[in-house]
Amino acid sequence: AQSVAQPEDQVNVAEGNPLTVKCTYSVSGNPYLFWYVQYPNRGLQFLLKYITGDNLVKGSYGFEAEFNKSQTSFHLKKPSALVSDSALYFCAVTLGNDMRFGAGTRLTVKP
Amino acid sequence: GAVVSQHPSRVICKSGTSVKIECRSLDFQATTMFWYRQFPKKSLMLMATSNEGSKATYEQGVEKDKFLINHASLTLSTLTVTSAHPEDSSFYICSAKDRDYQPQHFGDGTRLSIL
Repeated sequence: AQSVAQPEDQVNVAEGNPLTVKCTYSVSGNPYLFWYVQYPNRGLQFLLKYITGDNLVKGSYGFEAEFNKSQTSFHLKKPSALVSDSALYFCAVTLGNDMRFGAGTRLTVKP
Repeated sequence: GAVVSQHPSRVICKSGTSVKIECRSLDFQATTMFWYRQFPKKSLMLMATSNEGSKATYEQGVEKDKFLINHASLTLSTLTVTSAHPEDSSFYICSAKDRDYQPQHFGDGTRLSIL
């Protein structure tokens, strides 16, 4: 069975500081990994994905994620956080048709 | 590209009413559509997966007769909450994709409130 874990319910960072939102995965096979962001009362917006190739994936709004096979991790990062980045972030994994989401991490960026 | 439209965005109705929520892929053909339920401050709970022209596959614990899903075309899926009760109040989100291994594209959700 495939699954992802987001160990932090909440991440707080100051504006301008780098941010990291953690995700670890468990799959039997080569994972396809995704990050989504959700703003209040909205659906999820796709940020980036890893399928194969370069371990560092760049996505929307200046976000990037690093795939680490040995640590089975896919942490989301941004060099300089903005207040507008405050939202709920979900990591997801799929092996084809079925996608499984993590529990979500609420990111708060303070001015 | 890859826009999914979900309607209505908010519904408030009396207990016992049936409510239909529509999910449309506007600029792509969705071979598979998904329906999720999200509780406050919680992750997404997959309710069912539907493929065009076939019966939906429901997750364990989801009542098929309560949550009717129809995926009649490659661009439209509907979720009908039958005889809704206050415990059905939630945020329902649909998503769609055109191929395996591709990202799901999400609608903006429907806030359902049953009085």
